[in-house]
Amino acid sequence: AQKVTQAQTEISVVEKEDVTLDCVYETRDTTYYLFWYKQPPSGELVFLIRRNSFDEQNEISGRYSWNFQKSTSSFNFTITASQVVDSAVYFCALSPLGSNYQLIWGAGTKLIIKP
Amino acid sequence: ETGVTQTPRHLVMGMTNKKSLKCEQHLGHNAMYWYKQSAKKPLELMFVYNFKEQTENNSVPSRFSPECPNSSHLFLHLHTLQPEDSALYLCASSQERAGGITDTQYFGPGTRLTVL
Repeated sequence: AQKVTQAQTEISVVEKEDVTLDCVYETRDTTYYLFWYKQPPSGELVFLIRRNSFDEQNEISGRYSWNFQKSTSSFNFTITASQVVDSAVYFCALSPLGSNYQLIWGAGTKLIIKP
Repeated sequence: ETGVTQTPRHLVMGMTNKKSLKCEQHLGHNAMYWYKQSAKKPLELMFVYNFKEQTENNSVPSRFSPECPNSSHLFLHLHTLQPEDSALYLCASSQERAGGITDTQYFGPGTRLTVL
């Protein structure tokens, strides 16, 4: 079975706190991509990162960082020093080989950053 | 214009109306998608077009009719919709390569549809 689980339905933190969004995936394929998208209240899904299954290096982009661990099938996303503008729903998605253009989406985590 | 654009951004229609949603991508991609996002439900893939050919139709009711006249434009024709069809309809595009693995999909801002 191919599946993406985002167990945290909603997270609420105070501005400037660090926050980690969890993503656990299931696939039998050895070749796949993992993605994170952000959906602010305006509705548009904004692409954040794509990770190839053969590249386990962690990635940092400004206040955003991603931890990819194949051993635990996890691809977690951390926001450092959160800001109110980070408030959004965040989706993790999986694209296994032979997916035939279909992304397998997690249910999303709603992140609320309070001032 | 850059990226993926969608019009209209908001649409209210009666159950007997016929309307169309439009999507245009300016990224030079060869695949385009329609998604439906309802409240408290996962994102649902409706249709996929690759090189203007429909490759996926995920059991979508016939009251939704897609059209892809070229690789930059995608339409979703709507007729005799039901109130439960009210949702955010998102268009996306990507550059597909051989092997069937889906590359990064870039999304438009969506059309928020309300069916009365």
